[in-house]
Amino acid sequence: DAKTTQPNSMESNEEEPVHLPCNHSTISGTDYIHWYRQLPSQGPEYVIHGLTSNVNNRMASLAIAEDRKSSTLILHRATLRDAAVYYCILMVRGSQGNLIFGKGTKLSVKP
Amino acid sequence: NAGVMQNPRHLVRRRGQEARLRCSPMKGHSHVYWYRQLPEEGLKFMVYLQKENIIDESGMPKERFSAEFPKEGPSILRIQQVVRGDSAAYFCASSPPRGGMETQYFGPGTRLLVL
Repeated sequence: DAKTTQPNSMESNEEEPVHLPCNHSTISGTDYIHWYRQLPSQGPEYVIHGLTSNVNNRMASLAIAEDRKSSTLILHRATLRDAAVYYCILMVRGSQGNLIFGKGTKLSVKP
Repeated sequence: NAGVMQNPRHLVRRRGQEARLRCSPMKGHSHVYWYRQLPEEGLKFMVYLQKENIIDESGMPKERFSAEFPKEGPSILRIQQVVRGDSAAYFCASSPPRGGMETQYFGPGTRLLVL
């Protein structure tokens, strides 16, 4: 199984940027890096994904290290609604597409 | 454009009864995935289906669990003779026809409680 390592928890203040790290040292050249988040009592929600280049969308930015062994999800201005568990997942090329969830990072946002 | 719908949202069963969980994918999506989340644990893949076909059931328990995605109607996850250890949140996700590497859109889940 493609494996990722994330901190168990992080804290942030509202309106400040948040950088959520993920290590994936065994990543293969064609594996995509996906991020999902799960708000309390809800189903997971897609956040962003990338392959080699940094990516931006309306929710977040994804910064991928040059060697691809790590990546960082960036929330530019955390809101209370961003409090969730964030999962960094490798999508193995050629797989059926089933997501392998680790324990993720529980993000707390303080007002 | 409605998202992924699951029903019921909450289901209570006594040991030995059957549980049927339904999932209606997003419009235009023909790929469905089921995941289970035990209390205080992460989500675990169970099964991947396309219309009328089971593509990957490597995460399904060998006994009592089955899944289908008929040509018409929702996908069904069926648990026979439920036990307390089946108590969990069951999520389904759908993706567009290409499947595989596509983004998955999750439903709100069905929370099963076995008494």
